[in-house]
Amino acid sequence: EEQLLESGGGLVKPGGSLRLSCEASGFSFSNYGMSWARQAPGKGLEWVSSITSSGATTYYADSVKGRVTTSRDNSKNTLYLEIISLRAEDTAVYYCAKPLYDFWSGYSGSPFNLWGQGTMITVSS
Amino acid sequence: DIVLTQSPDSLAVSLGERATINCKSSQSVFYSSNNKNYLAWYQQKPGQPPKLLIYWASTRESGVPDRFSGSGSGTDFTLTISSLQAEDVAVYYCQQYYSTSLTFGGGTKVEIK
Repeated sequence: EEQLLESGGGLVKPGGSLRLSCEASGFSFSNYGMSWARQAPGKGLEWVSSITSSGATTYYADSVKGRVTTSRDNSKNTLYLEIISLRAEDTAVYYCAKPLYDFWSGYSGSPFNLWGQGTMITVSS
Repeated sequence: DIVLTQSPDSLAVSLGERATINCKSSQSVFYSSNNKNYLAWYQQKPGQPPKLLIYWASTRESGVPDRFSGSGSGTDFTLTISSLQAEDVAVYYCQQYYSTSLTFGGGTKVEIK
C-alpha cells in the first residue's frame, strides 16, 4: 500500500525554523517528483514546492521563495521541507503529495493521487 | 501564475439532486500536443487530506463513484455530482498542473439542503 507520513511540525516562534520530513512507502519513490502543499486553518489549499525525481530541480511558490528549501534522499525514501524565518502566515497543515504519473510517463504535469495526513506548523510567540 | 476561480463558494443541494461546481482559469490549461486539459478536481472532508476525483478534466480516478463527472476545456471547467449523497458533503477544489507553478481554486463547500 502506498503511504506518505509527514513529521516535524510543531509550535515555533516567529523568525524560527523547522524541517519537515515525509517518509514514503509502497512505491518507487525515486521515480516520482514530489511536492509540498499547505492549508492554513479554515482556508484553501496552497501549493508550496515541488522537486524532480532526481532532486536536481526544485520549484517554489512566490509566497515562500527564499525561505524554503525542498530536498530529498532517495536512499531513505524521504522528502524534506526546510522553512526559515517563519511568519504567522506560515501557520498551516503541511502535506506532502505524490503525483499520479512518474518521471517515465512523459507527461509534463500530473495531479496528486496520494497525500499524507499532514503535519501542523503553528507560528506564534 | 495561473489563477483558478471557483464558483459558487458554497452550495446546498437536496439529497439525490444535482450539484454543479465551476472552475475558471485565467489562461488555457489545454496542451495541444497531447490534446489534454491539465485540470484536476479534489474532494476534501474535514480533518482529511484531499482526495483525487477527476484528472485530465474528465477522467475519473479509480474507485470514484460514477455520479462524479468532469467536463470542460481550455479555461472553463465543471464538476458535477449527478445525485448528491450524504457522504459527498465536503469541500471541492480544482487544480491546474499545466504550469510548474501549481495552483488550486479557492474551494467550494457542498452541503445538504
